Amino acid sequence: DIQMTQSPSTLSASVGDRVTITCRASQSISSWLAWYQQKPGKAPKLLIYKASSLESGVPSRFSGGGSGTEFTLTISSLQPDDFATYYCQQYHSWTFGQGTKVEIK
Amino acid sequence: EVQLVQSGVEVKKPGESLKISCKGSGFSFTTNWIGWVRQMPGKGLEWMGLIYPGDSDTRYSPSFQGQVTISADKSISTVYLEWSSLKASDTAMYYCARQDTLKLFDYWGQGTLVSVSS
Repeated sequence: DIQMTQSPSTLSASVGDRVTITCRASQSISSWLAWYQQKPGKAPKLLIYKASSLESGVPSRFSGGGSGTEFTLTISSLQPDDFATYYCQQYHSWTFGQGTKVEIK
Repeated sequence: EVQLVQSGVEVKKPGESLKISCKGSGFSFTTNWIGWVRQMPGKGLEWMGLIYPGDSDTRYSPSFQGQVTISADKSISTVYLEWSSLKASDTAMYYCARQDTLKLFDYWGQGTLVSVSS
């Protein structure tokens, strides 16, 4: 099974900060990676698919990059609505990363 | 509008059986895989398995194989997640989600909370 490792587990940041979350796969997954945002008590929401494609309706401050085994999710200027937990997921065997909680500094 | 509507909160005792549901609308139910995801209290997302309602082809995560059964009734656009004997460790929120070939899980149900306690 392909393992997904996110870092950091928790990230403290301020409104306006540029934030980057990393997701590493245990073997190459090409560009087959998605990113989700989850807020407490809510279902996850798709942000990015195929590593770098922005889902319709998602603000352009979110961007995804990478291929092979290393991927990033970047929020260019953190907004109050962005404090949440973020997960990566690979397409081959559907496993998720363990999540990164973005909290207020 | 694509929607996945899940069944309501369940409170059960260890050893009891349970079947929860996820009803789809607004898309071609028989030509999209539907997946199940577990989220234990305060923990991350875990992929459990997928079903293709068109022919009931099913894939399970090794972690959940033999522990749950995923099924579908395409006549009513509904997929199910079933346990034959619940354990306290099955206490969690369970989400269904539609898999798009390109986007992975693009639409999610609202979640079903399952609580198992003696």
